Amino acid sequence: DVQMTQSPSSVSASVGDRVTITCRASQVIYSWLAWYQHKPGRAPKLLIYGASTLQWGVPSRFSGGRSGTDFTLTISDLQPEDFAIYYCQQANSFPHTFGPGTQVDI
Amino acid sequence: QITLKESGPTLVKPTQTLTLTCTFSGFSLSTSGVGVGWIRQPPGKALEWLADISWDDVKHYSPSLENRLTITKDTSKNLVVLTMTNIDPVDTATYYCSKTTLFGSGSHYYFDYWGLGTLVTASS
Repeated sequence: DVQMTQSPSSVSASVGDRVTITCRASQVIYSWLAWYQHKPGRAPKLLIYGASTLQWGVPSRFSGGRSGTDFTLTISDLQPEDFAIYYCQQANSFPHTFGPGTQVDI
Repeated sequence: QITLKESGPTLVKPTQTLTLTCTFSGFSLSTSGVGVGWIRQPPGKALEWLADISWDDVKHYSPSLENRLTITKDTSKNLVVLTMTNIDPVDTATYYCSKTTLFGSGSHYYFDYWGLGTLVTASS
């Protein structure tokens, strides 16, 4: 199975900050990676797929990048509604696997 | 508008079989490239992919749970059913169903719409 790790596990930030979350795959997954946002009591939401393609309707302050097996999710100009847990997920091979999550707190 | 809703028992006794239903609207499971997947999250733990079923009835299962899971669909009723046999307390989790969109083939899909999830507790 492809192991996904994320760092940091949590980050405290303020409105207007720029936050970058890193996800690392244990083997090559090309660009088969997605990022999800999850708020308590809400359905998880797909933000980015293909490592860098923004899902429709997602604000442009979210962006994704890839360097080898390292992936990043950057939130520029953090907004109050962005405080949530963020997960990465690989879709290169079965079984699909998720990272442990990064909590973005105020 | 695409919506999915999970339903099923909130409490299941060990060794019993868990049956979860995902009822959806806003898309059809007869559309090429569309599927439904199940994911669970034990309290305080990571998300775990369980199974998926596609528009052409292709099914995939998590290798670690394959012998306990069955996924089926009823396209006319817009629902997908996941059964898990021989429930154990470690199966306590929030279970989510999700619409998937396939990019190419095989595992190359993403979970683009999710339900709110349903908490299932496995306990005697």
